Amino acid sequence: GENVEQHPSTLSVQEGDSAVIKCTYSDSASNYFPWYKQELGKGPQLIIDIRSNVGEKKDQRIAVTLNKTAKHFSLHITETQPEDSAVYFCAASRRSGGGADGLTFGKGTHLIIQP
Amino acid sequence: DAEITQSPRHKITETGRQVTLACHQTWNHNNMFWYRQDLGHGLRLIHYSYGVQDTNKGEVSDGYSVSRSNTEDLPLTLESAASSQTSVYFCASRAGRGSPLHFGNGTRLTVT
Repeated sequence: GENVEQHPSTLSVQEGDSAVIKCTYSDSASNYFPWYKQELGKGPQLIIDIRSNVGEKKDQRIAVTLNKTAKHFSLHITETQPEDSAVYFCAASRRSGGGADGLTFGKGTHLIIQP
Repeated sequence: DAEITQSPRHKITETGRQVTLACHQTWNHNNMFWYRQDLGHGLRLIHYSYGVQDTNKGEVSDGYSVSRSNTEDLPLTLESAASSQTSVYFCASRAGRGSPLHFGNGTRLTVT
């Protein structure tokens, strides 16, 4: 099955600086890579996603890059703000093929924005 | 607005008791999922359903069951609660494979 590794587990950056979170995946058949933001006491919320036919996608201060050859993808947040403090999860969709469906998640990165 | 609702938000139960966690979505999504979230493990899939009367086991399904009698609801049942099932449980739904997954706000379950 799919395995997703996420680094770092904790990331502390100064307000206004950029933050980068990296994930690797094992299943070359994975073709959908979303990123979720989870605030305290809430469920994860989708913030951006990318499909395997695209190398980069941007949405205001957030961007995701995908390297299919190396099987890794990254989340980039520029001009970080206090409200960016949260736990971020990457995920990859697995080929079904009779096995379990849904997404395989990384273990999360706790992003701390220092004032 | 469409949404996904979990109840209760918090539950304390004793070892050996049967517990059911509710999940209700108003998006009319066919696919529904149950995950548990534990420190150091991230989100792990318990059970999932592609539609009415369809249920499937995920990677950590032992001790759990689900039923899908309509599109909107996927209740999760712990047949005989164990302390290892103390966790935060999230329900999620999506329109189809590759579509965004929408999560509820979770149920924190404590088994004493």
